[in-house]
Amino acid sequence: DTAVSQTPKYLVTQMGNDKSIKCEQNLGHDTMYWYKQDSKKFLKIMFSYNNKELIINETVPNRFSPKSPDKAHLNLHINSLELGDSAVYFCASSPTRGETQYFGPGTRLLVL
Amino acid sequence: AQSVTQLGSHVSVSEGALVLLRCNYSSSVPPYLFWYVQYPNQGLQLLLKYTTGATLVKGINGFEAEFKKSETSFHLTKPSAHMSDAAEYFCAVSSGGYNKLIFGAGTRLAVHP
Repeated sequence: DTAVSQTPKYLVTQMGNDKSIKCEQNLGHDTMYWYKQDSKKFLKIMFSYNNKELIINETVPNRFSPKSPDKAHLNLHINSLELGDSAVYFCASSPTRGETQYFGPGTRLLVL
Repeated sequence: AQSVTQLGSHVSVSEGALVLLRCNYSSSVPPYLFWYVQYPNQGLQLLLKYTTGATLVKGINGFEAEFKKSETSFHLTKPSAHMSDAAEYFCAVSSGGYNKLIFGAGTRLAVHP
């Protein structure tokens, strides 16, 4: 059983398109996150939700919009994709105010 | 503000040799410290963590790390490297609470025969 899953695993698209990445966790955690890993492997947090409430919103272009329909799901929608959005996007989850974050396998986005 | 510095973007060791990956942090509050490993084309897996208590923490796959407050360090070690240890290693810090992780730039470990 996969604890944190993401779909799709790979996403290749053209500039200007809109795309979504989905994340689901079956760990019963209350808190979920989106991280971006760039081509140099640098990881940076983008958003975090706790029980469907946005609690962390880093300096991210407003073309990126997270949505949490319930505490087991956190989706990321990206409008008007740009070349610089090419990266690996990781979803993670943790217990409320817990310390360990559990990461999904990542979604590799390539914008052409 | 919190930050993490990993000294050495690439480390190469022989199989059976000691592994030492360096991590220094900056935090204005008592830190929670983590080491994660990333194998090629995979997600991040927790190796070990320090929150409170014993400063020497043991993790999976024979790795351990020691929290040294006076040196603001959390270096990762393994007595004997194995070929399967070749991966990217990330040190991270958080202040607990809502648990925003701040990552270092990563260290790529290569293990050669």
